[in-house]
Amino acid sequence: SAVISQKPSRDICQRGTSLTIQCQVDSQVTMMFWYRQQPGQSLTLIATANQGSEATYESGFVIDKFPISRPNLTFSTLTVSNMSPEDSSIYLCSVGRSLNYGYTFGSGTRLTVV
Amino acid sequence: AQTVTQSQPEMSVQEAETVTLSCTYDTSENNYYLFWYKQPPSRQMILVIRQEAYKQQNATENRFSVNFQKAAKSFSLKISDSQLGDTAMYFCAFMNAGNNRKLIWGLGTSLAVNP
Repeated sequence: SAVISQKPSRDICQRGTSLTIQCQVDSQVTMMFWYRQQPGQSLTLIATANQGSEATYESGFVIDKFPISRPNLTFSTLTVSNMSPEDSSIYLCSVGRSLNYGYTFGSGTRLTVV
Repeated sequence: AQTVTQSQPEMSVQEAETVTLSCTYDTSENNYYLFWYKQPPSRQMILVIRQEAYKQQNATENRFSVNFQKAAKSFSLKISDSQLGDTAMYFCAFMNAGNNRKLIWGLGTSLAVNP
């Protein structure tokens, strides 16, 4: 399975600022996703990162708040913009190369907004 | 719309014993995949086991096995010889085999393995 490097692993940010999270994969992958996991809860899909085109956002998530880039098949970034304490959460990237093998996850970014 | 239900928010088991985590799902599709993921306190999401809906044989990975009942739309996870390192959140997930490759997640079961 793919090996994912997700950075930063954690950060404490001031409200109103932005944080960019990076997801680097050791091999080319077709599918890449960004999730949010609020404390003690399940995963919520933010968007599908599409290589060379705009990301596909889920209901409740918008590009202005969570801009995503995916310049190639091994790298993506998620920015959390104009942060508020409600954005405090774990953010995870996930990749998949083949439908048969499920998805691999990064180690997550624990974001705290103060 | 597909849904995944995990009816046990918390469970505990003694070390070396066997525990079963339940998962049911709802779908009108015939071709799909089911997964169990483990998330220990380190928060790394780890794939434990997967099952293709078209396979009747239950998947097995070492101490982990599933009881897949397609007609009942049930997909339980059995952990044998439980170890302290099995302490984690366990999430059941569904994925349609069609063009939409998104995972649908259950709310998770928190499993504690006691020494």
